[in-house]
Amino acid sequence: ETGVTQSPTHLIKTRGQQVTLRCSSQSGHNTVSWYQQALGQGPQFIFQYYREEENGRGNFPPRFSGLQFPNYSSELNVNALELDDSALYLCASSPGLASSYNEQFFGPGTRLTVL
Amino acid sequence: AQSVTQLDSHVSVSEGTPVLLRCNYSSSYSPSLFWYVQHPNKGLQLLLKYTSAATLVKGINGFEAEFKKSETSFHLTKPSAHMSDAAEYFCVVVTTGNQFYFGTGTSLTVIP
Repeated sequence: ETGVTQSPTHLIKTRGQQVTLRCSSQSGHNTVSWYQQALGQGPQFIFQYYREEENGRGNFPPRFSGLQFPNYSSELNVNALELDDSALYLCASSPGLASSYNEQFFGPGTRLTVL
Repeated sequence: AQSVTQLDSHVSVSEGTPVLLRCNYSSSYSPSLFWYVQHPNKGLQLLLKYTSAATLVKGINGFEAEFKKSETSFHLTKPSAHMSDAAEYFCVVVTTGNQFYFGTGTSLTVIP
């Protein structure tokens, strides 16, 4: 059974650019959640995708958007990058909507640096 | 609003001695609480969770936590630290809307 994978591992962009991060969910999981983890902080919930639809969003502006594909893999897109977007971006998949009863399995993350 | 506060940003223990990582929560209802561990360059891993069943919760790798409503606490403990326990630990509260709120983390150092 393959776990959650993310690509790329590291990425460097400049302010104002756009970036796409990718996540492959664990086999059998239909839900993907994205988190932003700034240096020295805990992960913050960005949004969750369930069966290709956004289902829940944290306090992030619309320039953070996502997609989920029929195979349940997912993309996180960030437009008009700002310096504060520099962070580790984590993807987590779960067998149903993430909850106290559906465990989330996390990928290793993508480290985004914005210069 | 729901939140968690991890009272120590760094904890150092000697190998073989007890570990105590402290977490207080704020919630207007009986919350679900989790502890996750994050090793460098690895994904977050669930250690244990409380979901309104037994207040003493046992997790993986010898960790356990006790939910104390009167103290609004959910401290993580382990009787004897191992070198492999060195990592970042996060306390998490889950809202009724199933959003996960992470604390700021506690970095555990184990001294040989």
